Amino acid sequence: EIVLTQSPGTLSLSPGERATLSCRASQSVSSSYLAWYQEKPGQAPRLLIYGASSRATGIPDRFSGSGSGTDFTLTISRLEPEDFAVFYCQQYDDSPITFGQGTRLEIK
Amino acid sequence: QVQLQESGPGLVKPSETLSLTCTVSGGSISSYYWTWIRQPPGKRLEWIGYIYYSGSTNYNPSLKGRVTISVDTSKNQFSLKLSSVNAADTAMYYCARYRRTSGLGFDYWGQGTLVTVSS
Repeated sequence: EIVLTQSPGTLSLSPGERATLSCRASQSVSSSYLAWYQEKPGQAPRLLIYGASSRATGIPDRFSGSGSGTDFTLTISRLEPEDFAVFYCQQYDDSPITFGQGTRLEIK
Repeated sequence: QVQLQESGPGLVKPSETLSLTCTVSGGSISSYYWTWIRQPPGKRLEWIGYIYYSGSTNYNPSLKGRVTISVDTSKNQFSLKLSSVNAADTAMYYCARYRRTSGLGFDYWGQGTLVTVSS
């Protein structure tokens, strides 16, 4: 199975700053099948990015995804107070579908 | 707007079968894939399996044949059964729509339901 490793585990930033989250795969993942999700306490995960770089419906353009092969990145260009949450990457290129362990983005 | 809602017992005894249902509203269950995911306390999300509206399935091998996912198109529902549960199956269980054909990932999720395995 493809193991996804996210870094850092926790990222402490201030509103207005830029956030860069990393997701590394144990083997190559087709860019078409890499997604990012945001999870807030008490809420279901929300799809942010699919196909490595396409924003889901209603997602602000401050969220962007990039990468290919084994290295993928989620960037939040200018943090808003509502962006602080846990972020997961997911690959659905190969079965079983797998998720990273998450990056917690907290207010500094 | 598509909405999903999980339902089922919040407490299951060890060795028994966990049964959950996901009700889809605001759209038809037809023509899509539907999936179950869980998250044990303090651990990462784990994909359980998915089902196509026609009934074809794919499961995570890690669950070693204990999983069955079924669909009832007349009720716009799909269900999860996990047999021979133990404490390691304690988790938040989510249902979601899987845009497998178009590559869009899991685009709609339920709020989740906490299932505890304990005697």
